[in-house]
Amino acid sequence: EIVLTQSPDTLSLSPGERATLSCRASQSISRYLAWYQQRPGQAPRLLIYDTSNRATGIPARFSGSGSGTDFTLTISSLEPEDFAVYYCQQRSNWPRTFGQGTKVEIK
Amino acid sequence: EVQLVESGGGLIRPGGSLRLSCEASGLTFRNYAMTWVRQAPGKGLEWVSTISGNGGETFLADSVKGRFTISRDNSRDEVYLEMNTVGAEDTAVYYCAKGGHLSAYDVWGQGTRVTVSS
Repeated sequence: EIVLTQSPDTLSLSPGERATLSCRASQSISRYLAWYQQRPGQAPRLLIYDTSNRATGIPARFSGSGSGTDFTLTISSLEPEDFAVYYCQQRSNWPRTFGQGTKVEIK
Repeated sequence: EVQLVESGGGLIRPGGSLRLSCEASGLTFRNYAMTWVRQAPGKGLEWVSTISGNGGETFLADSVKGRFTISRDNSRDEVYLEMNTVGAEDTAVYYCAKGGHLSAYDVWGQGTRVTVSS
């Protein structure tokens, strides 16, 4: 099973700041990594698929990069609605796995 | 607009059975794999199961293998999760999501809550 480790667990930032979230895979997953956002009480929402492709309707302030085992989600300038939990997920191997999540909270 | 609506959750006793349903609309259902993902209270996301568009391939997490079955009815645009021999560890919100075989999960339902308790 591929283990995805996200860091940090919690990121405390202010609106307008840049957020950098990391996801590390226990073995290479090529570029088969997605990022999801989950706001409290809501279902997850796809942000980025295959490392760097924004899903439909996702603002340009969200970007993804990486390959192999190291991946990054960047939010260029935090808006109030961006404070949420973010999960990475791989589709390289079965079973599909998620990272444990990074909470982006208001500082 | 693609929509997914789950149903069938509730309170169930340990060892019992339950069938979750997910009705899809706004898409050519048979063209897409479908996936169930769960989230235990206060915890992260856990992939549970995926079924291919024609139902010919199914994948299950080890934690539910032998107890849960995924299936679909393309004539009704529905996907199901049959849960048997449930335990406390199966308590979670269960989400239905579009995709998962060769793609990310780009549409999610609102979830249905399953509580296993005596």
